[in-house]
Amino acid sequence: DGGITQSPKYLFRKEGQNVTLSCEQNLNHDAMYWYRQDPGQGLRLIYYSQIVNDFQKGDIAEGYSVSREKKESFPLTVTSAQKNPTAFYLCASRGRGHQPQHFGDGTRLSIL
Amino acid sequence: KQEVTQIPAALSVPEGENLVLNCSFTDSAIYNLQWFRQDPGKGLTSLLLIQSSQREQTSGRLNASLDKSSGRSTLYIAASQPGDSATYLCAVRMPSSNSGYALNFGKGTSLLVTP
Repeated sequence: DGGITQSPKYLFRKEGQNVTLSCEQNLNHDAMYWYRQDPGQGLRLIYYSQIVNDFQKGDIAEGYSVSREKKESFPLTVTSAQKNPTAFYLCASRGRGHQPQHFGDGTRLSIL
Repeated sequence: KQEVTQIPAALSVPEGENLVLNCSFTDSAIYNLQWFRQDPGKGLTSLLLIQSSQREQTSGRLNASLDKSSGRSTLYIAASQPGDSATYLCAVRMPSSNSGYALNFGKGTSLLVTP
């Protein structure tokens, strides 16, 4: 059953701590994305990757980092430099052409 | 920069009513438009995708239309049910590779269908 798996579902960050959100897909998609969703707001793009070993900053990349060492995996690290990390984080992937974007179930990050 | 607006922000209807959700975008040179459903605390489920060359797409009780020249799309839900209660998001994809063909989202319409 193809899809996108995000883990953990809930995550808590202490002051000064880096945390990593996992995103794995078995859809054989080249492109992957990380979005942030705040209450009452649309999704905003953090980082994207169109191919293995390549990734680019989105609209709100400050305080975040990513890696793309495997086609299936696109982890997001929320660093201590991100001063307002409390949000719902969504990972997505996309096939070629007019294929729709597919989304994971999200990770909710909160501050302890 | 592409701006996507959804009206209304919230909508409450009695069960059985037909309803229309609206989406507008400022740059009409889109590649495609996608409607999503989001249940509380969950990810996004793709409902319909309309290519820029298409006028509408249908899936069951859902019908999405696209008027690219005027920068508008509507999602029509027929015979609404309480299970349709969710937030509906509209997103457009531009043809250029800027932002890796990421989607530009509206803020969503929160729909409540009452029994």
